[in-house]
Amino acid sequence: RKEVEQDPGPFNVPEGATVAFNCTYSNSASQSFFWYRQDCRKEPKLLMSVYSSGNEDGRFTAQLNRASQYISLLIRDSKLSDSATYLCAVHTGTASKLTFGTGTRLQVTL
Amino acid sequence: DAGVIQSPRHEVTEMGQEVTLRCKPISGHNSLFWYRQTMMRGLELLIYFNNNVPIDDSGMPEDRFSAKMPNASFSTLKIQPSEPRDSAVYFCASSLEDRVETQYFGPGTRLLVL
Repeated sequence: RKEVEQDPGPFNVPEGATVAFNCTYSNSASQSFFWYRQDCRKEPKLLMSVYSSGNEDGRFTAQLNRASQYISLLIRDSKLSDSATYLCAVHTGTASKLTFGTGTRLQVTL
Repeated sequence: DAGVIQSPRHEVTEMGQEVTLRCKPISGHNSLFWYRQTMMRGLELLIYFNNNVPIDDSGMPEDRFSAKMPNASFSTLKIQPSEPRDSAVYFCASSLEDRVETQYFGPGTRLLVL
């Protein structure tokens, strides 16, 4: 089983729709969780951290479910500009390294 | 402030040739990471350094790959000899040690080995 798993998609949604992605992780000792956004032919960029209590940034909501070992990203009122690949990342242990999922591709259409 | 700088941005080479990728981390960051990204395997960590010292190279595919960090502002990833299956995008990232949320990626080097 991979350490971090995501549905690769693509998720094709119309503008204005709400879309949610999940990401599962295998190591119950994982401590920190993040969502990154990667545009086509660009580098990944941090979108938001995921806190135990959940967190919201505008149209984006991230949640953590430790019992079931998954994190989620909810995008409300999706825009064309949200089209990208969304990578989840998990931090385990004392070292600085992150383990990434393979990403979920989102395509928002008119 | 300048972000992570990588060079070259694109590299096309023939099988068997040596390839050297370069990275300049963000000033003040003391952790540096080399990743490889392919469609099939996603983003894989190859090696990372803390304070110029290699900490974990378990992701380095084989002996053909080597990485160095001679000082706090420069790192190289070398492939010798290169093979077609090495074709990928190679990203360098840097962060403050113990602050994973500060990890920033460079623009990547697109490598094509013919």
